[in-house]
Amino acid sequence: GNSVTQMEGPVTLSEEAFLTINCTYTATGYPSLFWYVQYPGEGLQLLLKATKADDKGSNKGFEATYRKETTSFHLEKGSVQVSDSAVYFCALAGGTSYGKLTFGQGTILTVHP
Amino acid sequence: NAGVTQTPKFQVLKTGQSMTLQCAQDMNHEYMSWYRQDPGMGLRLIHYSVGAGITDQGEVPNGYNVSRSTTEDFPLRLLSAAPSQTSVYFCASSYGASGNEQFFGPGTRLTVL
Repeated sequence: GNSVTQMEGPVTLSEEAFLTINCTYTATGYPSLFWYVQYPGEGLQLLLKATKADDKGSNKGFEATYRKETTSFHLEKGSVQVSDSAVYFCALAGGTSYGKLTFGQGTILTVHP
Repeated sequence: NAGVTQTPKFQVLKTGQSMTLQCAQDMNHEYMSWYRQDPGMGLRLIHYSVGAGITDQGEVPNGYNVSRSTTEDFPLRLLSAAPSQTSVYFCASSYGASGNEQFFGPGTRLTVL
């Protein structure tokens, strides 16, 4: 079946530091890949996505590239801000899995001034 | 657009009690899902629906029932609450195909004593 593995957290950074959160997946076929973000006390919201190999998703300074050869979708940001403190989830949806997301365990990011 | 709404925000139950978590969306989405969020485990799919009158089980369906009589509503019923069902519950909806964004509600925090 499908599975997603995220790097263990929590991650603590200083403002303007470089961020990488690793994500690898196992899936049959050609899944779509997502990063969702959850701010304190809120639901999840889509941060970025990629639907085919070599696609790069980007939003709010965050980027992730769909790497089929390494089955990875690592999240990066060049300069984090305090407002980026949140929980980040990597997720996938398989080609025929309509409405069914498989999530990683989530990574807590805390950014200090 | 209200998006995806959930009620109640918080609920405390005693073991053996039953209740219904409400979810509604006003985006005319075909696909709706229920997830539970537990620390260190990400979100896990409980039940999902691909349209009115059609539901199916997800990864962790035991102890929960759903129905989908309208496109807008997708209630989740706990038949006989157990402490293991203490969790945060999220409802989500999407247009369907696996590459599309899922929109999440704000969540219901349930405690079973």
